[in-house]
Amino acid sequence: GAVVSQHPSWVICKSGTSVKIECRSLDFQATTMFWYRQFPKQSLMLMATSNEGSKATYEQGVEKDKFLINHASLTLSTLTVTSAHPEDSSFYICSAQRQGVGELFFGEGSRLTVL
Amino acid sequence: QKEVEQDPGPLSVPEGAIVSLNCTYSNSAFQYFMWYRQYSRKGPELLMYTYSSGNKEDGRFTAQVDKSSKYISLFIRDSQPSDSATYLCAMSTNRDDKIIFGKGTRLHILP
Repeated sequence: GAVVSQHPSWVICKSGTSVKIECRSLDFQATTMFWYRQFPKQSLMLMATSNEGSKATYEQGVEKDKFLINHASLTLSTLTVTSAHPEDSSFYICSAQRQGVGELFFGEGSRLTVL
Repeated sequence: QKEVEQDPGPLSVPEGAIVSLNCTYSNSAFQYFMWYRQYSRKGPELLMYTYSSGNKEDGRFTAQVDKSSKYISLFIRDSQPSDSATYLCAMSTNRDDKIIFGKGTRLHILP
């Protein structure tokens, strides 16, 4: 199957700092990428939909100034958690939808711990 | 009524048994159906991708879609402890449309 690379796989940061997570589709073009948050033993929670070249669409309750999303190319989307706080600690997962095919492929996830 | 319903489990079955995982949905316009497997602390992995009604088989996995009943299933034959994971169903109306996920079913295969 297609490969989606997510980096870093884990990160620890101090409260108040910003953290950037990258999501890359390695062998296909993705017009749409998605960002999810997942708490332990909970289901995926969609945070935002990212379309190449346009502003991201955020789900209700997700602060767009807190979670900055940039989809600069057909293979790269980034999520920046700004001024991170301990309650932002979570598992963040991206996915990329293969253009014209519809299949959705996930990255390996990034575990964020804010001290 | 939620668009996609999936029993969260956990479902525990002995090794070697046939596992049946199911989802129901309310939107009759769904045409594309997917099953994902997610191990703990990993991203979901696409297992099966089917279009419209019918069966699709891949190794020990069989995906079944019954659009008349708005019901999809994933069967796992000869289940192994390594099959222990959370299984998520997902579906969409068109290829590039938003994909709706079930909550996931936690499966434990007992050695």
